[in-house]
Amino acid sequence: DAKTTQPTSMDCAEGRAANLPCNHSTISGNEYVYWYRQIHSQGPQYIIHGLKNNETNEMASLIITEDRKSSTLILPHATLRDTAVYYCIVRSTGANNLFFGTGTRLTVIP
Amino acid sequence: DGGITQSPKYLFRKEGQNVTLSCEQNLNHDAMYWYRQDPGQGLRLIYYSQIVNDFQKGDIAEGYSVSREKKESFPLTVTSAQKNPTAFYLCASTRQVYGANVLTFGAGSRLTVL
Repeated sequence: DAKTTQPTSMDCAEGRAANLPCNHSTISGNEYVYWYRQIHSQGPQYIIHGLKNNETNEMASLIITEDRKSSTLILPHATLRDTAVYYCIVRSTGANNLFFGTGTRLTVIP
Repeated sequence: DGGITQSPKYLFRKEGQNVTLSCEQNLNHDAMYWYRQDPGQGLRLIYYSQIVNDFQKGDIAEGYSVSREKKESFPLTVTSAQKNPTAFYLCASTRQVYGANVLTFGAGSRLTVL
């Protein structure tokens, strides 16, 4: 599975959009981009995934660059409850493991 | 509501004792996973099972054992051979979402060795 690079931490003002970047320059054609988040001492929660098109659901939007080497998770109106560690993962459907790195610690500030 | 139930949430163990962590799911998912998380770190795969009566080692299987006698259940035993068992343990299962495998996690079990 391709490795990903994320900033260690980010702050975002409450009510503003939070844009979390992820670099996955070695991604291969059959690998999806997944985003999960983990609120302190809980299990990770699935947010969104995509292959090459931009995606949106009730939680977030995922923007994938045309060359697929990077992506951005967008939380359109961040709330205090969005404070968590956000993991960007790339994985092919047939793989048996998701490699969770250390992610980005997002802090939403009142 | 369907989901994954892990128990106990907190567990204390003396050195040299085996302990079993429970993981039950009512999602009808075939594949199940056990991960370990240490403070400030990502998740590391211990074992996974894609079907009943079959399981494979992950990246850090030493000192752990599992069984998969029923589709709904995937218990993890932390044996005395595990040198540093204090950690947060997470169980998960996968479902297909538009061709991709999405993990659903339980709430976790925190094991502390005294």
